[in-house]
Amino acid sequence: AQSVAQPEDQVNVAEGNPLTVKCTYSVSGNPYLFWYVQYPNRGLQFLLKYITGDNLVKGSYGFEAEFNKSQTSFHLKKPSALVSDSALYFCAVRDTRDSNYQLIWGAGTKLIIKP
Amino acid sequence: EAQVTQNPRYLITVTGKKLTVTCSQNMNHEYMSWYRQDPGLGLRQIYYSMNVEVTDKGDVPEGYKVSRKEKRNFPLILESPSPNQTSLYFCASRGVWTGELFFGEGSRLTVL
Repeated sequence: AQSVAQPEDQVNVAEGNPLTVKCTYSVSGNPYLFWYVQYPNRGLQFLLKYITGDNLVKGSYGFEAEFNKSQTSFHLKKPSALVSDSALYFCAVRDTRDSNYQLIWGAGTKLIIKP
Repeated sequence: EAQVTQNPRYLITVTGKKLTVTCSQNMNHEYMSWYRQDPGLGLRQIYYSMNVEVTDKGDVPEGYKVSRKEKRNFPLILESPSPNQTSLYFCASRGVWTGELFFGEGSRLTVL
């Protein structure tokens, strides 16, 4: 079955430290991978995506993510966390074999950055 | 400015009183979708539309209807709302060949 797992409900990081939000996936075809962020009382915003090419992709607000095909992972990272990064983060995957290009969503990870 | 606009943003209603949540996008996107977000359950897709007059059920379509008569609009209709439809609803759109979804700001619905 196709799925996306975000194994941590919540991640706590001190401001200035590096952060990682984990995502693993399972699809039958090749994946297109996405990260979205949801700030309190807001809609989701696109952060970054992997389609093809370089496994390390850079996105908005200084975030990056690394596609690891062998581990079927797409972890979100940032070298130095800001308090303003505190939000809910969603990983999503599209199976390229799906002709309707539907997204499969992870359950979300709450990121808390402490001053 | 490219955006997806939902209305109303907040609504309290009573069981059985029909309501419509409107969604409009100004990006000429073919694809539109409705999601609901509930604590601990993440995002669940209700309905989606690949283009005008083409709609399909998502994961949780029961109790909802949609229509896509125009490319820019994709209203969500609750014919007879029930308390289990109390939730935060999001409309989203994207181009057929592009990856990222653009989301509205959300509509928080409470059914008493």
